[in-house]
Amino acid sequence: EVQLVESGGVLVQPGRSMKLSCAASGFTFSSFPMAWVRQAPTKGLEWVATISTSGGSTYYRDSVKGRFTISRDNAKSTLYLQMDSLRSEDTATYYCTRILLPHVMDAWGQGASVTVSS
Amino acid sequence: DIQMTQSPASLSASLGETVSIECLASEGISNDLAWYQQKSGKSPQLLIYAASRLQDGVPSRFSGSGSGTRYSLKISGMQPEDEADYFCQQSYKYPPTFGSGTKLEIK
Repeated sequence: EVQLVESGGVLVQPGRSMKLSCAASGFTFSSFPMAWVRQAPTKGLEWVATISTSGGSTYYRDSVKGRFTISRDNAKSTLYLQMDSLRSEDTATYYCTRILLPHVMDAWGQGASVTVSS
Repeated sequence: DIQMTQSPASLSASLGETVSIECLASEGISNDLAWYQQKSGKSPQLLIYAASRLQDGVPSRFSGSGSGTRYSLKISGMQPEDEADYFCQQSYKYPPTFGSGTKLEIK
């Protein structure tokens, strides 16, 4: 069974940093691109970032470029999202997702809640 | 970015009723369209991809159609467990973008 389990979501002050992790199991992690998708409270879904199978290619939405970094450790079957210079508008539930090409998200984690507030 | 306009924003349906949700892309997306279901308090789940391909394990009462810029999701025979939010998403071009969602409730 495919499982994606996020961790690391907490309350953080504006301007501070936070790192999310996503532990994958039930499939060959290194064979799939992965992505983070977020959902602000009572809002819709918003793609955040994608990473290729090797980690050599990464893609970001404009509003997080230069502040967020997506990475992966294929040996540990773990996906990461380093979030720096956090803003109130980054407040959301962050989902770890597995990607089927071209960019369909066929598996989702349970989500990690990130609240940016002073 | 490709804008995805989803309608209606909400609807209510009786058990057994057939419902449709529409998604309009701001440019042609060559059938690179997926539909997701999100039940209250849960994470989204993939229902349909490539406009009309049913994801494994999804009931056959769900179907997708469309081409070019216009796509639709149909539920043939509303069931209690279908009460949820539904989102479309284009996977044709970066960045992948979602529709604003449709809240489907039982009447």
